[in-house]
Amino acid sequence: AQKVTQAQTEISVVEKEDVTLDCVYETRDTTYYLFWYKQPPSGELVFLIRRNSFDEQNEISGRYSWNFQKSTSSFNFTITASQVVDSAVYFCALSEADFNKFYFGSGTKLNVKP
Amino acid sequence: NAGVTQTPKFRILKIGQSMTLQCTQDMNHNYMYWYRQDPGMGLKLIYYSVGAGITDKGEVPNGYNVSRSTTEDFPLRLELAAPSQTSVYFCASSYGESGNQPQHFGDGTRLSIL
Repeated sequence: AQKVTQAQTEISVVEKEDVTLDCVYETRDTTYYLFWYKQPPSGELVFLIRRNSFDEQNEISGRYSWNFQKSTSSFNFTITASQVVDSAVYFCALSEADFNKFYFGSGTKLNVKP
Repeated sequence: NAGVTQTPKFRILKIGQSMTLQCTQDMNHNYMYWYRQDPGMGLKLIYYSVGAGITDKGEVPNGYNVSRSTTEDFPLRLELAAPSQTSVYFCASSYGESGNQPQHFGDGTRLSIL
């Protein structure tokens, strides 16, 4: 079974639109960490955020915000007023109790058109 | 700031050939990882290491071997290249005593087996 599911394969929006990328995870551990990474067309992976399972407080960083809900096992990512430079593949990842392994979702490709 | 350095960036192999993908990091990170990313897919963990002399299998270890003789280096070896191993390979490292820290990724090695 998939530990991290990103059901949206590809999303296209027009610049300045808001967009939410969904992430649903599966774990039996009470302690775990969730991450979001960005992979622009150049191919490198860039860390965006880490959240531990005991901190459900939502976080905002500029145009980015994250909504963590343990009740629905979701860790969604919203980009407000999207820009062309936001075009990338975004990956959600999970690290469980042994913290030795990361499980990545299959990614959501975001296309922001001018 | 070198971070995580992977060599080579590109390589074409013939079926049955062997090669070693090099990965080195200069951040004194204990944890190191090898992933493969198939087209349009997320990252799959091949092997990981929690410190020099210690390695363990990830999700997709078959056909690969690793070693960790120093903190800095974590080479990945393909012994008998197969077309199914055509992929982009990413090496990553993370700080701290456990793997719940963000991972720093190299730029990737694009490998084609023909």
